[in-house]
Amino acid sequence: DIQLTQSPSSVAASVGDRVTITCRASQDINRWLGWYHQKPGKAPKLLISAASNLQSGVPSRFSGSGSGTDFTLTISSLQPEDFATYYCQQTSSFPPTFGGGTKVEIK
Amino acid sequence: QVQLVQSGTEVKKPGASVKVSCKTSGFTFTDYYLHWVRQAPGQGLEWMGNINPNSGATKIPQRFQGRFTVTSDASISTAYMELRSLGSDDTAVYYCARPDCSGDDCYSSLYWGQGTLVTVSS
Repeated sequence: DIQLTQSPSSVAASVGDRVTITCRASQDINRWLGWYHQKPGKAPKLLISAASNLQSGVPSRFSGSGSGTDFTLTISSLQPEDFATYYCQQTSSFPPTFGGGTKVEIK
Repeated sequence: QVQLVQSGTEVKKPGASVKVSCKTSGFTFTDYYLHWVRQAPGQGLEWMGNINPNSGATKIPQRFQGRFTVTSDASISTAYMELRSLGSDDTAVYYCARPDCSGDDCYSSLYWGQGTLVTVSS
């Protein structure tokens, strides 16, 4: 199975901050990577697919980049509703796997 | 609108089985695979398997093969998962999810059920 390593595991930030989360795959996954966020007690929400395709309705402050083994999710100006845990998921090969998560907390 | 509504909380003893349902609406049931993903308390997400409701074909990772089954009933637009030989490490919230595209290799989950907590305890 392809392993995904996210960093950092947690980050404390303030409203308005720029936040960057990275996801590294154990092998080349081309651009087959998605990003989700999840709030406590809720189901995950798909933000980005195929490394950089923003899902309909997702604010433009979210962006994704990368290919191969290294990927980045950037929140350009953190908003109160963005405090959550973020997961990457590779969809390149079976079985699809998730990263361990990055918790974005209030500083 | 697309909705996935799961059955309620379950409490099971070690060694037992659990079956969770996922009733869907708002889309043509046979046009999209349905996935199952679980999340242990305080832990990350784990993809468990999927089903093609049109053919009944399933894809189950090796670690779950033999004790995890996914089925569907197109007449009521409902998918089911069954996990057998439960252990304490199967305590988790189980989610059904629909991908963002139709096809064999669509694994990004756009629509999610509300989750079903399964607790395994003696």
